Amino acid sequence: KNEVEQSPQNLTAQEGEFITINCSYSVGISALHWLQQHPGGGIVSLFMLSSGKKKHGRLIATINIQEKHSSLHITASHPRDSAVYICAAPFETSGSRLTFGEGTQLTVNP
Amino acid sequence: DAGVIQSPRHEVTEMGQEVTLRCKPISGHNSLFWYRQTMMRGLELLIYFNNNVPIDDSGMPEDRFSAKMPNASFSTLKIQPSEPRDSAVYFCASSRDRGTNEKLFFGSGTQLSVL
Repeated sequence: KNEVEQSPQNLTAQEGEFITINCSYSVGISALHWLQQHPGGGIVSLFMLSSGKKKHGRLIATINIQEKHSSLHITASHPRDSAVYICAAPFETSGSRLTFGEGTQLTVNP
Repeated sequence: DAGVIQSPRHEVTEMGQEVTLRCKPISGHNSLFWYRQTMMRGLELLIYFNNNVPIDDSGMPEDRFSAKMPNASFSTLKIQPSEPRDSAVYFCASSRDRGTNEKLFFGSGTQLSVL
């Protein structure tokens, strides 16, 4: 069964803290997506990675294909980072159909 | 580029009425996806097109839903007749190609409420 699990479901942090959101998946994939959904509802693709690490500003995404695990890190968190973060994987058996995690609701307090 | 453009942003309709959602993908993108998001089920793929051809419509809930892509710059998702359980946010997304390693670009979504 193709599954994507995220943890934690909810995360509250103080401004400036280092944040980690985890994503595990059940079977082989070729790449993994990290998405951000703001309170207004819009969805932005943050990263698409198939190996190693990618960095964009204060955001870092890592993936370990062998361990079937990915992490999204936010350094020096800020209230504007408050959003839902979603990981999604296109399982090799499902073509371009993405399986989405349930999302992590992040709240960063000033 | 203006990004993926969806219209309308909000739609309120009565049960039984026809609803048409519209999407303009990013110019040059060959793949277009329609997603639905609800609190209960999260994000679900309804259908995706590659080069204007429907490739996978297995996520379309039932015959009341239909989608078309008459050309590379326009797609519609139609619900007829609409039901209250269709209330959700519908997102359109596009990518450069159909490969699973392509980054997705999402529209702002259409908030549909069926009363």
